[in-house]
Amino acid sequence: EIVLTQSPGTLSLSPGERATLSCRASQSVSNYLAWYQQKPGQAPRLLIYGASSRATGIPDRFSGSGSGTDFTLTISRLEPEDFAVYYCQQYVGSPCSFGQGTKLEIK
Amino acid sequence: QLQLQESGPGLVNPSETLSLTCTVSGGSISGTTYYWGWIRQPPGKGLEWIGSFYYSGTTYYNPSLKSRVTISVDTSKNQFSLKLSSVTAADTAVYYCARPSRTLRAQDAFDIWGQGTMVTVSS
Repeated sequence: EIVLTQSPGTLSLSPGERATLSCRASQSVSNYLAWYQQKPGQAPRLLIYGASSRATGIPDRFSGSGSGTDFTLTISRLEPEDFAVYYCQQYVGSPCSFGQGTKLEIK
Repeated sequence: QLQLQESGPGLVNPSETLSLTCTVSGGSISGTTYYWGWIRQPPGKGLEWIGSFYYSGTTYYNPSLKSRVTISVDTSKNQFSLKLSSVTAADTAVYYCARPSRTLRAQDAFDIWGQGTMVTVSS
């Protein structure tokens, strides 16, 4: 099984700042990498698929990059509603697997 | 607009079978070429893919759960179900039904999710 490691575990930033979240895979996943946002009590919401394509309705302040084993989710200017937990997921290998999450909290 | 809704008991005794149903509205399970899946999340932890199925009967399960999992479909009710046998406290989690974003792919980015249902395994 491919293991995804997300860093940092917690990121403390202020609204308006830029957020950079990392996801590293234990072996290449090509560009079969997705990012999700999850708020308390809610289901995950798909933000990015194919490493860099935004899902329907996702604001352009969210962007994804990377390929192979190293990936980044960038939020260009944080809005109050962006503070949540973010997960990456690989879907090249079976079983598909998720990272342990990065909590983005208000500083 | 496609919507998914999980339902089932919120409390299951250890060693018994967990049974959940996902009702699909706004679209037909059998009228598309999408797989349908189950994903779970233990309290305070990350996400784990359980399995996916295609309405014709093809199923894929996570090897870590394969011996205990069955996913089935009732096309007449536009529902699909999850059964997890011999449960322990480690199976306590929020269970989500979800749909992969691309057709004919059992495992993909999941773009449509149910709201989730909490299942606690305890006597």
